[in-house]
Amino acid sequence: SQKIEQNSEALNIQEGKTATLTCNYTNYSPAYLQWYRQDPGRGPVFLLLIRENEKEKRKERLKVTFDTTLKQSLFHITASQPADSATYLCHPGKGGYNKLIFGAGTRLAVHP
Amino acid sequence: DAGITQSPRYKITETGRQVTLMCHQTWSHSYMFWYRQDLGHGLRLIYYSAAADITDKGEVPDGYVVSRSKTENFPLTLESATRSQTSVYFCASSQRQDSGNTIYFGEGSWLTVV
Repeated sequence: SQKIEQNSEALNIQEGKTATLTCNYTNYSPAYLQWYRQDPGRGPVFLLLIRENEKEKRKERLKVTFDTTLKQSLFHITASQPADSATYLCHPGKGGYNKLIFGAGTRLAVHP
Repeated sequence: DAGITQSPRYKITETGRQVTLMCHQTWSHSYMFWYRQDLGHGLRLIYYSAAADITDKGEVPDGYVVSRSKTENFPLTLESATRSQTSVYFCASSQRQDSGNTIYFGEGSWLTVV
């Protein structure tokens, strides 16, 4: 069955450093991958989309890579700030809504 | 811009009672979804709807009923609540079925079944 793995342990980093979060998937060939941010007590919010024919996507301090051979996406936040502290969810997807699967998320804590 | 709203935000109910969670979106998005989020499981799709009067099961539909008589509303009903249905429920919407459409989530409904 399809499986998405995100590091269940919280990632603690120092302010100013680069945070790198991992999303691995198995038994699945997504056409795209999205990353969402979720703050405590709130719904997830869309951050970035990367398609299968793209290796890398950037948006301000955010960078996403997508390696379809390794079946992995990496999500980077450069010059991290305490305000970046949240849970980040990955969503590898393809056309059709019957398989809208999300990873369980990785909690990021950026310390001053 | 109200977006997508859920009600109630917090609910405590007893086992066996019927509970309805409401979801309303103001964007006229075609697609709407219900997820539940539990520790260790992440978001799991309960039901989704491609348009008014069109609904389909997701990953965990048992014990839930949905309807969509109007594009903007997508209520989720627990016909006979069980403790295993204690969870946070998120309603979401999306504009099209093109690859990679952004999914917009509501703020969540916290349901406790005692």
